[in-house]
Amino acid sequence: QQQVKQSPQSLIVQKGGISIINCAYENTAFDYFPWYQQFPGKGPALLIAIRPDVSEKKEGRFTISFNKSAKQFSLHIMDSQPGDSATYFCAASGDRGSTLGRLYFGRGTQLTVWP
Amino acid sequence: ETGVTQSPTHLIKTRGQQVTLRCSSQSGHNTVSWYQQALGQGPQFIFQYYREEENGRGNFPPRFSGLQFPNYSSELNVNALELDDSALYLCASSLRDRRGYTFGSGTRLTVV
Repeated sequence: QQQVKQSPQSLIVQKGGISIINCAYENTAFDYFPWYQQFPGKGPALLIAIRPDVSEKKEGRFTISFNKSAKQFSLHIMDSQPGDSATYFCAASGDRGSTLGRLYFGRGTQLTVWP
Repeated sequence: ETGVTQSPTHLIKTRGQQVTLRCSSQSGHNTVSWYQQALGQGPQFIFQYYREEENGRGNFPPRFSGLQFPNYSSELNVNALELDDSALYLCASSLRDRRGYTFGSGTRLTVV
């Protein structure tokens, strides 16, 4: 059972546009929601993360929006650049039980930004 | 500050063989986790080690085992390799009770 569901599977955006990737979860034990960026041949690299006590977090061109009641969160990439072309993963972890100390990943979104 | 380093980068094994993958944690990190990433999928948690003991395990059979050493480096061992074990194996280090996981570049294992 996929504990974190991610969409879309692939996304094509023009340079300068906004990329939006969505994730949903069910387990209320999750209390940490990071986004990772992965380039071919590399491991995932942490982009930005949020905790459920805030509804939005912004770092540069990257913003996480979080809706606790809907159990959804999303990544917005403003002014998308060709260098942003990569696979993006949302993830979640918690502080108790089976969620402790582990990340549950979505299936990933392949982002392509056209120049 | 060094990151997480994994070796080897690529490996080809025959079904039924055994394999050992190695990971050096980021400096200062005392917890190591291993993940399996199949092609086109998100990483799946295998297990985590803290103070040289397994501290949480995902849905993987016992033929997946590990070790953590006093210097916090770690090994992942897989016995009786199956074709479905072909994947990118990722090591991630962190501080205990912190969520800042740093991933290595992984070992690409191909089982033929």
